[in-house]
Amino acid sequence: QVQLVQSGAEVKGPGASVRVSCEVSGYTLSELSIHWVRQAPGKGLEWMGGFVPEDGETAYAQNFQGRITTTEDTSTDTAYMELRGLRSEDTAVYYCARLAYCDGNLCSSFPRFDYWGQGTLVTVSS
Amino acid sequence: SSDLAQPLSVSVSPGQTAHIPCSGEKLRNKYVYWFQQRPGQAPVLLIYEDTKRPSGILDRFSASHSGITATLTISGAQPIDEADYHCQAWDGRAALFGGGTKLTVL
Repeated sequence: QVQLVQSGAEVKGPGASVRVSCEVSGYTLSELSIHWVRQAPGKGLEWMGGFVPEDGETAYAQNFQGRITTTEDTSTDTAYMELRGLRSEDTAVYYCARLAYCDGNLCSSFPRFDYWGQGTLVTVSS
Repeated sequence: SSDLAQPLSVSVSPGQTAHIPCSGEKLRNKYVYWFQQRPGQAPVLLIYEDTKRPSGILDRFSASHSGITATLTISGAQPIDEADYHCQAWDGRAALFGGGTKLTVL
């Protein structure tokens, strides 16, 4: 059973950076593809980026290009998302999610977000 | 605004069937995924590849997809089903989400 446990809430000033962590258990990080999705208060889900296994590269949403970096530490099975140049509109709950191709022994060519972290609230305020 | 359009809210009485639509050109020839999100909780995958349920998801949840419209159906809706429901599709390497629909059961 995969579990994703995220770091605690953060409060940052405008222009600062934030780094959110996502510790994986039940699998090793090298076996997984982790993506990041955020949700502003009262709003829908917004995909930010993640590792694309077919390409072997990380893809980022255009809205975050130049401001986001995702990294992985396989020695601790922890994924990280750093967002720079924070502004008030970045106030949101940030989720990590596993991108998977299989449900048990049933595998497909098309991936889905099947396990999610509990979310990390990032508040940007002066 | 989102590339995938969902109504802000849907209401049903307990025991009735709820239909939650999701539409947009980006759905044409793409699989649709559905998530349930209870207040204060992370999303949970309900449906993948248009109609498939992950293990553990009740068969009260079903979905369909034709052309640019997908529909999540909740049969015999119960108060515990009150939640936000989000549709999702892939646009190349990017994931697209609808704006979410709040289901009220009363």
